[in-house]
Amino acid sequence: KQEVTQIPAALSVPEGENLVLNCSFTDSAIYNLQWFRQDPGKGLTSLLLIQSSQREQTSGRLNASLDKSSGRSTLYIAASQPGDSATYLCAAFLQGGSEKLVFGKGTKLTVNP
Amino acid sequence: NAGVMQNPRHLVRRRGQEARLRCSPMKGHSHVYWYRQLPEEGLKFMVYLQKENIIDESGMPKERFSAEFPKEGPSILRIQQVVRGDSAAYFCASSRGLGNTEAFFGQGTRLTVV
Repeated sequence: KQEVTQIPAALSVPEGENLVLNCSFTDSAIYNLQWFRQDPGKGLTSLLLIQSSQREQTSGRLNASLDKSSGRSTLYIAASQPGDSATYLCAAFLQGGSEKLVFGKGTKLTVNP
Repeated sequence: NAGVMQNPRHLVRRRGQEARLRCSPMKGHSHVYWYRQLPEEGLKFMVYLQKENIIDESGMPKERFSAEFPKEGPSILRIQQVVRGDSAAYFCASSRGLGNTEAFFGQGTRLTVV
């Protein structure tokens, strides 16, 4: 059974700091891994998608890496801003049989001005 | 492209009533997924559907919950005889399928059972 774990559960940093969010998954049989952002009371916004054959993806100040063999992904946020405050969710898209996203519980990020 | 559309955004039901949640996938997407998010918890998979077929309903409670994705029209998640514990945010996602494409989520329906 695929399990996705995110560390830390919460993170508070001063504005301008670079930070790393961690995600680990137990089953390497995945199609891809997606990082999402969720603001309080809102839906999920897709940030980055990494295919299983890729090592990393970049979008603006965000960089996500994937190491399938070790079951790890990281989301790097450069020069954090108060507007980055949100919950960040990692989800692994399972292969075989039923395809579905399995989510971690998220990291709640607060960037202080 | 309007994205994944869910309605209603908020739904209040009394205990024992039925709740119907609707999801229109993105244009060109034929795969729909429903997730439930309880307060302060992660998203839990409920059901995966393709047009007219339920592919995986392993996350659906055995009673009172059902889902469909007809040939025409939106996907429907139906909860009969709602109880207080059904209060949650229900999210729908769609993709083109094949497992190697991006999943897009709707804004969710927040169900409150009073």
